[in-house]
Amino acid sequence: SQQGEEDPQALSIQEGENATMNCSYKTSINNLQWYRQNSGRGLVHLILIRSNEREKHSGRLRVTLDTSKKSSSLLITASRAADTASYFCATDGTNFGNEKLTFGTGTRLTIIP
Amino acid sequence: GAGVSQSPSNKVTEKGKDVELRCDPISGHTALYWYRQRLGQGLEFLIYFQGNSAPDKSGLPSDRFSAERTGESVSTLTIQRTQQEDSAVYLCASSSTGTGGRFFGPGTRLTVL
Repeated sequence: SQQGEEDPQALSIQEGENATMNCSYKTSINNLQWYRQNSGRGLVHLILIRSNEREKHSGRLRVTLDTSKKSSSLLITASRAADTASYFCATDGTNFGNEKLTFGTGTRLTIIP
Repeated sequence: GAGVSQSPSNKVTEKGKDVELRCDPISGHTALYWYRQRLGQGLEFLIYFQGNSAPDKSGLPSDRFSAERTGESVSTLTIQRTQQEDSAVYLCASSSTGTGGRFFGPGTRLTVL
C-alpha cells in the first residue's frame, strides 16, 4: 500500500512561477525524501528532511515537514522548462534496519514555456 | 561505473516465459532495493538487501518472483512464468546505508505479451 499521497496529482504552471506540491503520510518516519522522475525511468534524489527538522533548502527547492500533521511540501521557485517531471515523496520508517522507503503516487508537473 | 546500472533496458517476453533482470549497484553500497512501477503509478517496494543480513522479501507479490544478491555486488530479479500484469518498469536502487537518499538505476521496462 502507498504510504504517501501527493497533492495535486497534476500541476501545470507558467515558466518562472513557483510550484508547490504536497505530500501526506500515515505512520511515523525517520525521514522524508523527495525524488524527481523524468520520462518514467530512473529517479533522482532531490532532498531529504529528517523527522526533527521543519524546513530545508537546496538551491531553488524548499521542503517543509510537519510531523504533527504528517505532511510535507516541496516548493520549486522560479520554475524552468527542465523542471517538467513527476515528483514523488518517500518515507523511511522508524524500524531501524528495515527501511523500505515507501513512495507516494506522485505529482506530474508541467512547466509551460 | 559511477551510477547504478540495469540490464536489459527493455525486455519483451511472451506470457509464461521466465525473465531475469540484472542490477549493478554503486560500488561499496551495502543496501540494494528493487521496486516495480506500473504505468502512471508510484513505486511499489519488492525486496531489500542490506549487507549479509537476510533480505526483506515482504514486497514480492507472488512466489513467481525471487531475487538474489551476491555479497554486496550484483543482484538479479527473476520472474518465473510471466503474466501480463507483470508488465512494468523494474527499478533498482542502492545506498551506502539502509537510510538516506537512494541512487536509482534507469530501470528495465518489461513487456509481457
